[in-house]
Amino acid sequence: GESVGLHLPTLSVQEGDNSIINCAYSNSASDYFIWYKQESGKGPQFIIDIRSNMDKRQGQRVTVLLNKTVKHLSLQIAATQPGDSAVYFCAENQNDYKLSFGAGTTVTVRA
Amino acid sequence: EADIYQTPRYLVIGTGKKITLECSQTMGHDKMYWYQQDPGMELHLIHYSYGVNSTEKGDLSSESTVSRIRTEHFPLTLESARPSHTSQYLCASSETAGGHFEQFFGPGTRLTVL
Repeated sequence: GESVGLHLPTLSVQEGDNSIINCAYSNSASDYFIWYKQESGKGPQFIIDIRSNMDKRQGQRVTVLLNKTVKHLSLQIAATQPGDSAVYFCAENQNDYKLSFGAGTTVTVRA
Repeated sequence: EADIYQTPRYLVIGTGKKITLECSQTMGHDKMYWYQQDPGMELHLIHYSYGVNSTEKGDLSSESTVSRIRTEHFPLTLESARPSHTSQYLCASSETAGGHFEQFFGPGTRLTVL
């Protein structure tokens, strides 16, 4: 699979490989995190969320990992497909019903 | 698929015009939000509302205004549009249920001011 250790604005991945998208969050008081996927011309779409009392959460083909020690969040996509091409955003919540979004990562899937 | 709608989807207008971007949701959510987003860039919160007759400014300063007279409706108005207002505007809604703060987004309005 392909991964980035630090946040990079773009990620190119071969179809069928696993991809890892990284995100660093800013506030140690944040207790809820979300990953969104935004396709061209559309609004962001919820992928998966995780609370700060968890380290890992799995969904369908996706896994989110949370490392509170270094304030790092990652999204792993298994067996990346062409339909996974999009911009991915992480967002954090500080229990005030607002979300703070990070810079997105554009994922391009190569056939 | 979230039941949140934005109109128009695309708008091209001249400088100085007054515009209103519409946002409606049919989920009965009490909280609604407006974000501004340049292509491929992060989302910036410009307005939010926690219920009817409640509106607050977000983290990014904006010359737009909002109103929340009905739960399902959260329009955004620009009294005098300028080229610097050219951007994509995204509306979202959420409810407080089980400690989840997921926001559901509309498709966005892409505004171009000439």
